[in-house]
This record gives sequence, structure tokens and C-alpha cells, in this order.
Amino acid sequence: DGGITQSPKYLFRKEGQNVTLSCEQNLNHDAMYWYRQDPGQGLRLIYYSQIVNDFQKGDIAEGYSVSREKKESFPLTVTSAQKNPTAFYLCASSDNRVGYTFGSGTRLTVV
Amino acid sequence: AQSVTQLGSHVSVSEGALVLLRCNYSSSVPPYLFWYVQYPNQGLQLLLKYTSAATLVKGINGFEAEFKKSETSFHLTKPSAHMSDAAEYFCAVRDYYGGSQGNLIFGKGTKLSVKP
Repeated sequence: DGGITQSPKYLFRKEGQNVTLSCEQNLNHDAMYWYRQDPGQGLRLIYYSQIVNDFQKGDIAEGYSVSREKKESFPLTVTSAQKNPTAFYLCASSDNRVGYTFGSGTRLTVV
Repeated sequence: AQSVTQLGSHVSVSEGALVLLRCNYSSSVPPYLFWYVQYPNQGLQLLLKYTSAATLVKGINGFEAEFKKSETSFHLTKPSAHMSDAAEYFCAVRDYYGGSQGNLIFGKGTKLSVKP
């Protein structure tokens, strides 16, 4: 079955560490997205990519980085510059016609 | 610029009662509109979408939404709430402009509680 896979489901990070969240899709979608979700704040767009080897900053890109070397993959790195990284992170993909397909999320906690 | 407003961050209904979650949008072009549901610690799942065909759209789990251009609304309804409907619901509109064309713009979400 086609879908979008995020891993790991839970991730713990020490202060000052970079961590990378994985997002893989086999839907042949061109566009991929990363969102951050905090209680009461809805979905906030971090980065998006509408085509391989290209990506754009969203509303809250500071302290994050991404790459899009393959159509199937859009990993998100949370760098030490992100001062408040504890959150639920959602990845999505789209063919730009019928809305998004979301992964099941990664919960990142700073310890 | 397009935007989405969901009225009420929390809605509480009794089991068996009507569910009504409100969504208003702003768009200068015919919009594509979506409702998503999110259960705790999970991703968002598409409930239904409007893409300029029938104005009354039926979705999964007995939900439906009606597109009303004159009111710029796309409210989500379900005749009889079940306990399993307790979740957070997000309304979204497709962006048409510039480099973010094709992106979805999400509302802040409405958390639905269902009382026994």
C-alpha cells in the first residue's frame, strides 16, 4: 500500500545536539512538507519542497534544515540553534491536486 | 492572501447530538477546501474535500460539509455524535498564489469532545 512513513515515532534529544527526523513516501508525490504542532497552536509550516533538489522556508524555518535529494525522501534536521524543539512533527506529501497525505508524526522531546 | 478561520477552539456535544464545526475562508478565486481529523498522537486524516463539484460533500465516518459561497463557509456536520468522534478537526484551503501555489493553509483547529 502507498503511504508516508515517519520515523522514529518518539525521539529524545539532549540540549546542544542535532537530530534528524525521517520522512519517506511511496506515493510518487512531487511535493513534501514539514509541520510543527504545539498544543493550541495548530500546524505551523517549517519547510516545503515542491520538486526534487528544491525547497523553501515556511513560517518557522529558523533552527531547522532539510534536504530533498530524492523524490521519496524529505528528512528534517532539528539543529542546536532551535531553542525550543520539543514538539510533535508532522510530514506530509501532495500531488498538488487532492490535498495532503500525512505521516503519523514524530514526538521530539529535549531531555 | 487566502486564509481560514475556525470558530471555536473547543466544542463539546453529547453523544447522539448534532455536531457542527465552523469554518470560514477568504479567497478571491474558487477555493479547494478540506476537512481533516486528528486523533491524539497521530497524523491528520482526510475527512472530505470540496473541489468545485457538488456543494454538499460527503466524507468518511458520516461527516459532511456544505460549501456556501455567499457566506464563504464550509461548515462540517454530523447528525449524531459518537464517542469515537472525539478528536481535533482542521479546515484547510488550497493556496493559489506565487511560490506556495498548491500548499494548504490550515485553520487553528477545533477540538471536539463528546460527553456520554
